[in-house]
Amino acid sequence: EVQLVESGGGLVQPGRSLRLSCAASGFKFDDYAMHWVRQAPGKGLEWVSGISWNSGSKGYADSVKGRFTISRDNAKNSLYLQMNSLRAEDTALYYCAKGSGTYLRGYFDYWGQGTLLTVSS
Amino acid sequence: QSVLTQPPSASGTPGQRVTVSCSGGSSNIGSNTVNWYQQLPGTAPKLLIYSNNQRPSGVPDRFSGSKSGTSASLAISGLQSEDEADYYCGARDDSLNGWVFGGGTKLTVL
Repeated sequence: EVQLVESGGGLVQPGRSLRLSCAASGFKFDDYAMHWVRQAPGKGLEWVSGISWNSGSKGYADSVKGRFTISRDNAKNSLYLQMNSLRAEDTALYYCAKGSGTYLRGYFDYWGQGTLLTVSS
Repeated sequence: QSVLTQPPSASGTPGQRVTVSCSGGSSNIGSNTVNWYQQLPGTAPKLLIYSNNQRPSGVPDRFSGSKSGTSASLAISGLQSEDEADYYCGARDDSLNGWVFGGGTKLTVL
């Protein structure tokens, strides 16, 4: 059974940094691209970032480019999102999602339960 | 506003057939496949339809998807109370070099 468990969310002041983590199990982690998708309270889904199986390709939404960095550790079956210069508009539930293939194509076939980030002074 | 356009709400009575539309452009739906996600209240999204019209294992055949040009639609037949959820369309966007979603359609079963 595929499991994705996010952690690292919390309350942080504007301008500060935070790192989210996603622990994956139930599938061969290093065979698949991985993504972060967020959902602001009461709003829709927004793709944030994705990374290919070997970290060779990474992509970011314009709203986070230059502030967020995605990474993965295939030895630890883990996905990360380093978030710097946080803004109030980054407040959201952050989902870790498994890509359907090896590279940054396709769709998101499994989702975690999310970790909540609140950016506020 | 979202890159893909969905109606904010839809409704139907048990047993009815309802459809949800999703409109995009040449860089997203027009050149990539469409996927649909179901988000039940208080839960994470779940893949419902992929590659325009394919159902993952475990998804009832009451759910179907189609695509034509730069638009797509999700159809739910034999509507059930447990289908009450938010439905999102999504696709890769080649101009943005990322993924885009519709704003979501809240389906109410009357």
